[in-house]
Amino acid sequence: DAGVIQSPRHEVTEMGQEVTLRCKPISGHDYLFWYRQTMMRGLELLIYFNNNVPIDDSGMPEDRFSAKMPNASFSTLKIQPSEPRDSAVYFCASSGQENTEAFFGQGTRLTVV
Amino acid sequence: GQQVMQIPQYQHVQEGEDFTTYCNSSTTLSNIQWYKQRPGGHPVFLIQLVKSGEVKKQKRLTFQFGEAKKNSSLHITATQTTDVGTYFCAGPTSGTYKYIFGTGTRLKVLA
Repeated sequence: DAGVIQSPRHEVTEMGQEVTLRCKPISGHDYLFWYRQTMMRGLELLIYFNNNVPIDDSGMPEDRFSAKMPNASFSTLKIQPSEPRDSAVYFCASSGQENTEAFFGQGTRLTVV
Repeated sequence: GQQVMQIPQYQHVQEGEDFTTYCNSSTTLSNIQWYKQRPGGHPVFLIQLVKSGEVKKQKRLTFQFGEAKKNSSLHITATQTTDVGTYFCAGPTSGTYKYIFGTGTRLKVLA
């Protein structure tokens, strides 16, 4: 398996634009997580899905953020409109079962100017 | 809400010296996981501890889970330059599968 695949790897966008980050989890994994990493706030869990259903989105910072998982092999995290303070590395991770290791993707480095 | 703190925040050691990072949770944890993130990389799972007082070893790395299941430690014996990175602990919020990551300890090893 190629592991968790995220795209794009880098994204530079202007303030106010819509940004869509994509994730393909490891095949057969039932759990999918979106994390955000910044120097100031560390690694924050934004939302996680189980069997394509959002379970906990309490970490989503604002209504500008939304996440979907239309099927078991694809998830998106959308920011609309984007702001400079959204600049961070966004990681997607997947896990096969409850309370087991999470496999992280390479991350998307987002810069909003 | 639940908080997971790690100390120290940074550690510089000479190659060959030992290193320890400590993880403290504000709540009791059902289990704790440790991850390593190389500079510019992504977190990579190292180990999971479940039992109170559990100790596990991986070559030069020793992981311990506290008796009260609120703290944990990672000890590296005789550090090498390949140990460079940030080490995170992570524990689930009670009754959920929502893992909260610690603040991390960034290790630099000087050759």
